[in-house]
Amino acid sequence: GAGVSQSPRYKVAKRGQDVALRCDPISGHVSLFWYQQALGQGPEFLTYFQNEAQLDKSGLPSDRFFAERPEGSVSTLKIQRTQQEDSAVYLCASSSPQTPDTQYFGPGTRLTVL
Amino acid sequence: GENVEQHPSTLSVQEGDSAVIKCTYSDSASNYFPWYKQELGKRPQLIIDIRSNVGEKKDQRIAVTLNKTAKHFSLHITETQPEDSAVYFCAAANTGNQFYFGTGTSLTVIP
Repeated sequence: GAGVSQSPRYKVAKRGQDVALRCDPISGHVSLFWYQQALGQGPEFLTYFQNEAQLDKSGLPSDRFFAERPEGSVSTLKIQRTQQEDSAVYLCASSSPQTPDTQYFGPGTRLTVL
Repeated sequence: GENVEQHPSTLSVQEGDSAVIKCTYSDSASNYFPWYKQELGKRPQLIIDIRSNVGEKKDQRIAVTLNKTAKHFSLHITETQPEDSAVYFCAAANTGNQFYFGTGTSLTVIP
């Protein structure tokens, strides 16, 4: 079946621009996670949804970062007034209620802020 | 919060040799320990995982061991092949919650 998909795959933004990154989880997956992966580093947790409820946003680095999942399916990560330090790969992962431990990752969106 | 450390950061082995990657974690509440393989520009792929009620798990050439008392877990790859070359990440989690990843090990298998 289809895996987790993300769009766009690559995004170049000028400093100060707003960006929106989309994640389509696997159908039926209740939990959705966003991670930020800097070059040469492991993914770092940003935020977590269970259905449409954002249960944990403790990893969001600043109030410029905002995530939503209004219908409990597709999720959007929005970054306002992008800064160079926001350059990273943004990964989305989802898991099913039957196997909540197993997270399936999307291909990521590589964001470059100039 | 949880802190996961991973060593070594780079590892080169001859084809056919074994590779071992080690991780430590800090939070005794963590009970799930997955390992992901990430090829350049690709998504992380789960290769094996272990839960805290198990000490060892094996899947063909890959095995993982867990020492809960010492808060150590390790990935063992035997009979390495060039296609095993990638970055490997360990992670620790409390069931259903976010993963805390190590910093990754870049494995190169030399033909």
